[in-house]
Amino acid sequence: NAGVTQTPKFRILKIGQSMTLQCTQDMNHNYMYWYRQDPGMGLKLIYYSVGAGITDKGEVPNGYNVSRSTTEDFPLRLELAAPSQTSVYFCASSYPGFDQPQHFGDGTRLSIL
Amino acid sequence: RKEVEQDPGPFNVPEGATVAFNCTYSNSASQSFFWYRQDCRKEPKLLMSVYSSGNEDGRFTAQLNRASQYISLLIRDSKLSDSATYLCVVNKGSNDMRFGAGTRLTVKP
Repeated sequence: NAGVTQTPKFRILKIGQSMTLQCTQDMNHNYMYWYRQDPGMGLKLIYYSVGAGITDKGEVPNGYNVSRSTTEDFPLRLELAAPSQTSVYFCASSYPGFDQPQHFGDGTRLSIL
Repeated sequence: RKEVEQDPGPFNVPEGATVAFNCTYSNSASQSFFWYRQDCRKEPKLLMSVYSSGNEDGRFTAQLNRASQYISLLIRDSKLSDSATYLCVVNKGSNDMRFGAGTRLTVKP
C-alpha cells in the first residue's frame, strides 16, 4: 500500500551542487505534480505532468527541471542549487479530472548551505 | 491579491467547541475546491471536497459560495486530534491547484 513514495527524506546540499528528487507512485495515476512549501506558506506548484512524455510549468518552475518517462516516476532535478531553494518538496499524484483530489508523498526536506 | 486567502490563525479552542474557517479565492473560473489537513512536518491529506450544494462528513461541514468566491469549513465538537493546519485548495483548471497558506487550529483540553 505504498501510494506516493519520495526519496530522499532529507538532504543537505552546497550552493551550486545538483541533485534529483525521486518520486514514484503505484496507483496508476496519470497526473503527477511537484510542489515546494516554505515555512508558514502554502504549497506552490513547480511542475506537473498529465502523462508520460508530457510536462508543464507551474507557478514557480525556475531553477528546476522534470521528466516523465513512465507513468510511475516523476523526478525533479535541481541543476545549480541556490539557498532560495531550501524548502520542503512534495510530490503528488491524481487521476484526471478537475474534481479529483491529489495524494501526496511524505516530502523531502532540502537545505542548501 | 493572493489567489487563495485564508485567516492564518492560530485558532485556539477548547475541546467540544465549534470552529469555522473561511477562505476566499480570486479566480471566478475555478472549477473545484478542497479542504486538506496538514499535521506538523507531514504531508497534506485530503479532508473533504467542497461542493456547491454544501457537504457534510461527520463533524465537518464544507460550504461553497461561488457568487462571493468564498469557501468555509465548520468543525463541530472539536477533538484534540483535530489540531492541525487546514489548507484551502482551489483547482483553477487542468489540475492547476492553488493552495492557501493554511489556518492553524489548536484544540486544548
